[in-house]
Parts: sequence; structure tokens; C-alpha cells
Amino acid sequence: GEDVEQSLFLSVREGDSSVINCTYTDSSSTYLYWYKQEPGAGLQLLTYIFSNMDMKQDQRLTVLLNKKDKHLSLRIADTQTGDSAIYFCAEISNTDKLIFGTGTRLQVFP
Amino acid sequence: GAVVSQHPSRVICKSGTSVKIECRSLDFQATTMFWYRQFPKQSLMLMATSNEGSKATYEQGVEKDKFLINHASLTLSTLTVTSAHPEDSSFYICSARGDRGRGGYTFGSGTRLTVV
Repeated sequence: GEDVEQSLFLSVREGDSSVINCTYTDSSSTYLYWYKQEPGAGLQLLTYIFSNMDMKQDQRLTVLLNKKDKHLSLRIADTQTGDSAIYFCAEISNTDKLIFGTGTRLQVFP
Repeated sequence: GAVVSQHPSRVICKSGTSVKIECRSLDFQATTMFWYRQFPKQSLMLMATSNEGSKATYEQGVEKDKFLINHASLTLSTLTVTSAHPEDSSFYICSARGDRGRGGYTFGSGTRLTVV
């Protein structure tokens, strides 16, 4: 079955880089996503990567994909207090459903 | 960009009553919508997949008679929590699928349901 794992917590100092990691199991996923959830809110799509790509950069965000190891990461450069939130990676299953990771709570301190 | 509007954002109801949550795609047609439930500090759990004009497909362990889903048009899906109990209190989020090539799963802002 599908299983998407993430570390639960990450704490960084403002201005540093944050790296959030994710491992997934469904090698047939064509797209992989990163979502951000602020308290009491829905999910905001941050970025996505197509499975035939190794890297994608979008302003402060860099996504790295290691398809062989089924490992996905999200790097946030120059992390700000407004980046404090829960970050979910997600893959599309072979039944065309979004499967979410367990979520990583990012805390940014001054 | 694609926008999904979800209402209400918060609702408090008494045990035994029913609550309807609406999810609308505002600027695109969504043939498929998804309903998720999220417990505090946990990930999103897919409850059901809603297809316009047909019956919803429920995930294992989700009671279809308790969580009624209707997808009567290409822009509206509703989730009705029937005979609500305190254990149904949760955060419910809908999602509509657009163009995957553009990262096209758009989420509503969620509904916080509290059953007292």
C-alpha cells in the first residue's frame, strides 16, 4: 500500500535554511507535491515536481527528488517566521488519489 | 488560479443533528472532488471521492450512511454529517482536481465541526 513518511518536527533560526524530508513508496507517482497548512486553515500548494525531474527551484523553494531512493525534500532558503506551519508532502497513488505524508511542523524562532 | 470555496468555516451543532458542508469550485469545473478529515496534529485522511453525477466512493472504514456525499453539479459537492456525535468533531477539508500538470489539486479552507 501507499505510505508517505516525514519527520514530525523541525526547528530553525530565522534566516537559516530549512530542509524537510519525505519518503514515499509508490514508484508510479507521476507528480509529487508540497503543501503548507497554517493553523486552522486549509492546504496551500507550495510547489510540485514531475517524476522525471531531479530538481525544481521556485524562488526560496527548492525541491529535490531522488526517485531511486523514493526520497523527496523541500528546502526553504532564508526561512522567515511566516514560514512556521505544517508542511505535507503528497504523492498521487495508482488509483489517482492524493496520499499525504504525516506532516512536518516547522517552527522558526528569531 | 483555481479557487475552491468551502462553507461554513466553523460550525457547532448538538448531538443527533445533521450538518451540511459545501465545497464549490469557483472558476473551474471539478468532475472529481475529495473529502478529507483531519484530527488535531495529524495528517489528512481521505474519506471519499466524489464524482459528478454518480455515487461517491468511500474509503475503507468510512460509514457512507453517516457521511453523505452529493456531487450534483460540476462545481458543487456537499458532505452531510448525519446524526452527529462528539466523536465526529474534526476538521473537514474538501479538494477539487483540476489540471495535475499545474499541481491541480485545490483545497478548500476547511470546516471545523464541533459536536456538543
